[in-house]
Amino acid sequence: KQEVTQIPAALSVPEGENLVLNCSFTDSAIYNLQWFRQDPGKGLTSLLLIQSSQREQTSGRLNASLDKSSGRSTLYIAASQPGDSATYLCAVRPRGSTLGRLYFGRGTQLTVWP
Amino acid sequence: NAGVTQTPKFQVLKTGQSMTLQCAQDMNHNSMYWYRQDPGMGLRLIYYSASEGTTDKGEVPNGYNVSRLNKREFSLRLESAAPSQTSVYFCASRDHANTGELFFGEGSRLTVL
Repeated sequence: KQEVTQIPAALSVPEGENLVLNCSFTDSAIYNLQWFRQDPGKGLTSLLLIQSSQREQTSGRLNASLDKSSGRSTLYIAASQPGDSATYLCAVRPRGSTLGRLYFGRGTQLTVWP
Repeated sequence: NAGVTQTPKFQVLKTGQSMTLQCAQDMNHNSMYWYRQDPGMGLRLIYYSASEGTTDKGEVPNGYNVSRLNKREFSLRLESAAPSQTSVYFCASRDHANTGELFFGEGSRLTVL
């Protein structure tokens, strides 16, 4: 069974720092990996999706990388802002998952203070 | 563009009562999902539906039933609510045709007393 781990569980940084969130998964046979953001009391918002054939994806100040062979993904946030404060979750879709089921990590709770 | 819409957003039930959570998506997606999110447990899949008329059990289906009414709508029913079903429920749909990206609704917060 695929297991997804996110480290650290919580992170608190001052505004302006560049930071890295980590996601690891136990089975490298995946279709894709998706990063989400969740604000308190809200749903999950998709940030970036990386297909298994890709190494990275970028959107604005966000850059996500994927190393399938080592079972790792990182989400890089440049020049962090207080508005980036949220919980960030990663999820993988394993190969052989006929109905597209995703396996989620528990998330990293990020606080960016002014 | 509404995306994935869930109703109700909040609900309080007494043990033994029944209710249905509604979900609709306007993105023409084939696959739809129901997850629950609990502190310390993360997101767990309850049921999924690959297409209209088909449903399958996920990790934690006990105590729930689902219905895929049409391509747009996927409902989750609690026949006899229990306090263990207090949770936040999320509906999601997946973009088969393009990236395979998963889109979530805002959630339904259910408390069972």
